[in-house]
Amino acid sequence: AQSVTQLDSQVPVFEEAPVELRCNYSSSVSVYLFWYVQYPNQGLQLLLKYLSGSTLVKGINGFEAEFNKSQTSFHLRKPSVHISDTAEYFCAVSDSWDTGNQFYFGTGTSLTVIP
Amino acid sequence: NAGVTQTPKFRVLKTGQSMTLLCAQDMNHEYMYWYRQDPGMGLRLIHYSVGEGTTAKGEVPDGYNVSRLKKQNFLLGLESAAPSQTSVYFCASSYEFDRGLKHEQYFGPGTRLTVT
Repeated sequence: AQSVTQLDSQVPVFEEAPVELRCNYSSSVSVYLFWYVQYPNQGLQLLLKYLSGSTLVKGINGFEAEFNKSQTSFHLRKPSVHISDTAEYFCAVSDSWDTGNQFYFGTGTSLTVIP
Repeated sequence: NAGVTQTPKFRVLKTGQSMTLLCAQDMNHEYMYWYRQDPGMGLRLIHYSVGEGTTAKGEVPDGYNVSRLKKQNFLLGLESAAPSQTSVYFCASSYEFDRGLKHEQYFGPGTRLTVT
């Protein structure tokens, strides 16, 4: 089965500084990759997704992610964070080899933006 | 479109009581999922459904049952609630894009359940 690793459980960063949230997944021939954001006491909403094509994907709120097939990574970046970016971020993978029709989520990274 | 809705938003149960959580989606999605979210453990899949009338177990199915009698609804039941089932429950739906890959999941707002 697929596995997704988010290496950092908590990331504190000062306002207006850049941030990178890391995500690695198990090797697979064909995957779709997603980043979700969860604000306090809310559900998950999609930030961005990689389906095919350009390996650099742009999402909402100024976030972007780069798909690296050789390193099986899909790291999320933002050049300058804002207080409102404080939230939990989840990486997810859909795997064509999986017969269980499941998505696989990482355990999440809590981003705290410090004023 | 309302997207994915969940009922109720909050609930407090006593140990041994039963309840049903309702998830509804109006996007005609084939796939529906129930997750629980606990601090430090991310999202864990309880049960899922690949179509009307079909259900399957996920990672943590014990103590839960589900039904998908209509395509738009996915019910999660707790027959005898236990304190270990205190959690936030999320429903999600999705559809198949191509090559067997599922498109993104659309999430409901969650149900916060406390079992005392």
